[in-house]
Amino acid sequence: EADIYQTPRYLVIGTGKKITLECSQTMGHDKMYWYQQDPGMELHLIHYSYGVNSTEKGDLSSESTVSRIRTEHFPLTLESARPSHTSQYLCASSERTGVVAGYTFGSGTRLTVV
Amino acid sequence: AQSVTQLGSHVSVSEGALVLLRCNYSSSVPPYLFWYVQYPNQGLQLLLKYTSAATLVKGINGFEAEFKKSETSFHLTKPSAHMSDAAEYFCAVSDPSNTGKLIFGQGTTLQVKP
Repeated sequence: EADIYQTPRYLVIGTGKKITLECSQTMGHDKMYWYQQDPGMELHLIHYSYGVNSTEKGDLSSESTVSRIRTEHFPLTLESARPSHTSQYLCASSERTGVVAGYTFGSGTRLTVV
Repeated sequence: AQSVTQLGSHVSVSEGALVLLRCNYSSSVPPYLFWYVQYPNQGLQLLLKYTSAATLVKGINGFEAEFKKSETSFHLTKPSAHMSDAAEYFCAVSDPSNTGKLIFGQGTTLQVKP
């Protein structure tokens, strides 16, 4: 049973549209992460947060932005979508001790920009 | 910088045969190591993890992995493949700077033939 939820699961939108990908977790985890995954490719960290009002950019440059106003919620926003943003986006969370427990992942959002 | 290498982007085995997925890491400090599995159109699910206890780690679905410090390896094995094991497998290592972040390999697709 998933304790971290991503919506929508699939999204097809036109170029230039603003979109927000939702991610919520019910485990009270402090740390949350967004990964971008292209087909057959590794995961690239694009944003992470260690708690409320804490956000950092990840290892892969991204035109998206994130916010962390509540512990359980970590949405990702693209102000103007482009075809190059077509990818799968995975949200994950971990406990304060994070590195030992590992991550819990959501089911992902597959985004297609046409 | 810490890195993870998974040898072989595609591995094909017959049902009932041994599964061996290779993972090597680069780190001067023994890290925490993880294997995740990703089924089509799903997020990642934790298979097993090494956190400096026993070097032979048993996970879910009959998988196990052995941490070998001298070889900087953490290969994943299963004695007998099942059709349901067909999926993408990711090896991950903890960031040695103790940020709580995980660094993922590029993934290995396991195909199981009847």
